[in-house]
Amino acid sequence: DGGITQSPKYLFRKEGQNVTLSCEQNLNHDAMYWYRQDPGQGLRLIYYSQIVNDFQKGDIAEGYSVSREKKESFPLTVTSAQKNPTAFYLCASSSLAGVYNEQFFGPGTRLTVL
Amino acid sequence: DQQVKQNSPSLSVQEGRISILNCDYTNSMFDYFLWYKKYPAEGPTFLISISSIKDKNEDGRFTVFLNKSAKHLSLHIVPSQPGDSAVYFCAASVGSNYQLIWGAGTKLIIKP
Repeated sequence: DGGITQSPKYLFRKEGQNVTLSCEQNLNHDAMYWYRQDPGQGLRLIYYSQIVNDFQKGDIAEGYSVSREKKESFPLTVTSAQKNPTAFYLCASSSLAGVYNEQFFGPGTRLTVL
Repeated sequence: DQQVKQNSPSLSVQEGRISILNCDYTNSMFDYFLWYKKYPAEGPTFLISISSIKDKNEDGRFTVFLNKSAKHLSLHIVPSQPGDSAVYFCAASVGSNYQLIWGAGTKLIIKP
């Protein structure tokens, strides 16, 4: 089955610790994205990548880092510099083949800072 | 500054009736619009989209209408079913810029 997997589904972190969220896709999509969702708000873009070894900051990149060493993988690290990391994190991917391409999402990771 | 607005946080509709979800935008450069459906603790699922060269797009029970002069789009669901109860997000993009700008979502509740 083609799709996007995120792990873990739930993650607890102590303040001051870095944590890495996994995102893998087997859709052969070039582009991958990380979003954050907070209650009552839309999705906000953290980082995105359109090609291996290249990525761009989104609207709320401060306190986060990413890497894109493989086309299939786009892990997100939430660093201790992120002031309010408790949120629902969503990874997405899309093709770049057409003019318009919808994004496909993984199931999400809920991060809670204790 | 919210470029994509969904002004109704929630909407309650009787099963079998029409559900109409609304979305307004401010950026006249947007030329592609999408609707996503999201269940709690899951990722959004793509529903339907429309490009700015059209004013209507239909897919089964779902129809999206675009009014460019009013900078308004709406999603119609007919007939509404219990499984349609979810949060619906409107999103928009500019040309080949693959970033999507999202609304805050509308929670749709279908009453039996």
